[in-house]
Amino acid sequence: ETGVTQTPRHLVMGMTNKKSLKCEQHLGHNAMYWYKQSAKKPLELMFVYSLEERVENNSVPSRFSPECPNSSHLFLHLHTLQPEDSALYLCASSLGGETGGWEQFFGPGTRLTVL
Amino acid sequence: GQNIDQPTEMTATEGAIVQINCTYQTSGFNGLFWYQQHAGEAPTFLSYNVLDGLEEKGRFSSFLSRSKGYSYLLLKELQMKDSASYLCAVRDSNYQLIWGAGTKLIIKP
Repeated sequence: ETGVTQTPRHLVMGMTNKKSLKCEQHLGHNAMYWYKQSAKKPLELMFVYSLEERVENNSVPSRFSPECPNSSHLFLHLHTLQPEDSALYLCASSLGGETGGWEQFFGPGTRLTVL
Repeated sequence: GQNIDQPTEMTATEGAIVQINCTYQTSGFNGLFWYQQHAGEAPTFLSYNVLDGLEEKGRFSSFLSRSKGYSYLLLKELQMKDSASYLCAVRDSNYQLIWGAGTKLIIKP
């Protein structure tokens, strides 16, 4: 496997379900990101982890819970979601640091539908 | 507030040239990125500008004017596979990426 992978690619869940999205990067990066992408809207940054520490949490509802067990893996735990949470959830990684290498590499995304 | 503006949609002809503009108002500036995103796929990195001027990469070029808060992506010799959304993003003073909503480019034969 190379690059950034995400599973599942598609997910349909009810509002009372609990599910998790998984992201794995094989690039040796030390920063990982969760984004929400809704139609015709800018990418919304949800969470940022740098060296496994959460450094950014953009006022995301508590029904979204991230987990970063190591620098290669990132999870997004979902519970009691709302229909408006239906979107494409993208994971990205980057080298980070002060000297550049900040371009982010994205996974293919999970298309989430909340019924 | 922070804002990135780019046209919602553009149409161009195969073999032609198209310029996609991006204007920004952000708290500080630490570089501007262009990404390409095909429908149903992940965004992929195209270019990075931090100094004024033109950066050329094959058929794609990106220009930056920091004093005007302006950038453009120039695509030459358009091919059908260039049909995609093009996302402009600016890194602000906190090194956070602020994203535009993207420009959907439609290429016609």
